[in-house]
Amino acid sequence: GNSVTQMEGPVTLSEEAFLTINCTYTATGYPSLFWYVQYPGEGLQLLLKATKADDKGSNKGFEATYRKETTSFHLEKGSVQVSDSAVYFCALKVSNFGNEKLTFGTGTRLTIIP
Amino acid sequence: DGGITQSPKYLFRKEGQNVTLSCEQNLNHDAMYWYRQDPGQGLRLIYYSQIVNDFQKGDIAEGYSVSREKKESFPLTVTSAQKNPTAFYLCASSVGLAGNEQFFGPGTRLTVL
Repeated sequence: GNSVTQMEGPVTLSEEAFLTINCTYTATGYPSLFWYVQYPGEGLQLLLKATKADDKGSNKGFEATYRKETTSFHLEKGSVQVSDSAVYFCALKVSNFGNEKLTFGTGTRLTIIP
Repeated sequence: DGGITQSPKYLFRKEGQNVTLSCEQNLNHDAMYWYRQDPGQGLRLIYYSQIVNDFQKGDIAEGYSVSREKKESFPLTVTSAQKNPTAFYLCASSVGLAGNEQFFGPGTRLTVL
C-alpha cells in the first residue's frame, strides 16, 4: 500500500535558521507529492507540489525536490521566520482511476522562536 | 471570494446523539472529501464524493454517513455508532477526483461529552 513517513516533531528553531523536514514515501505506481501547511486553528493549505521525479516544488521560500531514487520529498527553507510556525504535512497521491486519494504523513509541528 | 465553509467551528454534543457537520463550497468543484484529524496523527479519509448523488467510503467510514444532493454541499453525519467521535473534522474539494490540489475548509472541532 501507500504510506508517508515524516520526521517526528516537534521541531523548534530560532528565527533565520535553516529548516529541513524529512519525508519519505512508499507507493505503488508513480505518485504526485505534496506539502501542506496548517496554521493554528485552521484547515490545510497547499504549500507546494511535484508531480514527477526530479521536479522541484517551491513557494514562499520553501522548496522540496522529488527524489525517486531515495523515495524522498524533504522540505527545506533557508531562513525561517516566526510566521512559519505551523504543522507541516507531507502527502502523496497515486493516480489509480476511481481511487485517487491523498495519503498523509502524521505531520510535523514547527515552532520558530524570535 | 471562492472557498469552502464549514460550520460551526466548535460543536458540542452529548454521547449517543447524532450530529451533522456542514460543508459548502462555491468553487464549482466536482469532488469533495471528509477527513478526520486526531492529535499526533495525519488526516484520515472518512468519505469522498466524485459527483452529485455518488459517494464512496474512505479508510474510516464506520459510524459516519454522508449525502451529496447538491454539487455545493457535502454534509457529514457523525452517528452514535462512532465509538470515538471527538476530533477535528476537515472538509476538502478538488476540481475532479484526479485534481492535483485539494482545497480545505477551516474545520469543525467536535467534542462529545
